[in-house]
Amino acid sequence: EVQLVESGGGLVQPGRSLRLSCAASGFTFDDYAMHWVRQAPGKGLEWVSGISWNSGSIGYADSVKGRFTISRDNAKNSLYLQMNSLRAEDTALYYCAKDKAYYYDSSGYCDYWGQGTLVTVSS
Amino acid sequence: QSVLTQPPSASGTPGQRVTISCSGSSSNIGSNYVYWYQQLPGTAPKLLIYRNNQRPSGVPDRFSGSKSGTSASLAISGLRSEDEADYYCAAWDDSLSGNWVFGGGTKLTVL
Repeated sequence: EVQLVESGGGLVQPGRSLRLSCAASGFTFDDYAMHWVRQAPGKGLEWVSGISWNSGSIGYADSVKGRFTISRDNAKNSLYLQMNSLRAEDTALYYCAKDKAYYYDSSGYCDYWGQGTLVTVSS
Repeated sequence: QSVLTQPPSASGTPGQRVTISCSGSSSNIGSNYVYWYQQLPGTAPKLLIYRNNQRPSGVPDRFSGSKSGTSASLAISGLRSEDEADYYCAAWDDSLSGNWVFGGGTKLTVL
């Protein structure tokens, strides 16, 4: 059974940093691309970032480009999101999602999602 | 403002057939597959339809997807109370930023 467990969320002041983690199990982690998708309170889904199986291809939404960094450690079956220069508009539930394909491109799609970790940016 | 456009709400009575639309452009729906996700209250999204009209195992055949040009639709037949949820369409976008885009979501109410 695919399991994705996010952690690292919390309350942080504007301008500060936070690092999210996603522990994966139930599948061969290094066979698949991975993503972060967020959902602001009461709002819709927003794709944040994606990474291919070998970290060779990475993408970011314009709203986080230059501030967030996605990475993965295949030896630890873990996905990460380093979030710097946080803003109030980054407040959201952050989901880790597994892709169906190796590569972060149009050939794949998110097929499994974790339960999310809440990030609140406020002074 | 979401890249893909969905109606904010839809409703139907048990047993009815309802459809939810998703409108995009040539850079996303017009040239890539469409996906649909169901988000029950307080839970994570779940894949409902992939590659325009394919159902993952375990998804009832009451759910179906279609695509034409730069628009797509999700149809739910034999509506049940447990179908009350938020539904999101998604597609890859070939624009320079090259990323996934979602619709704003449609809240389905079963009356």
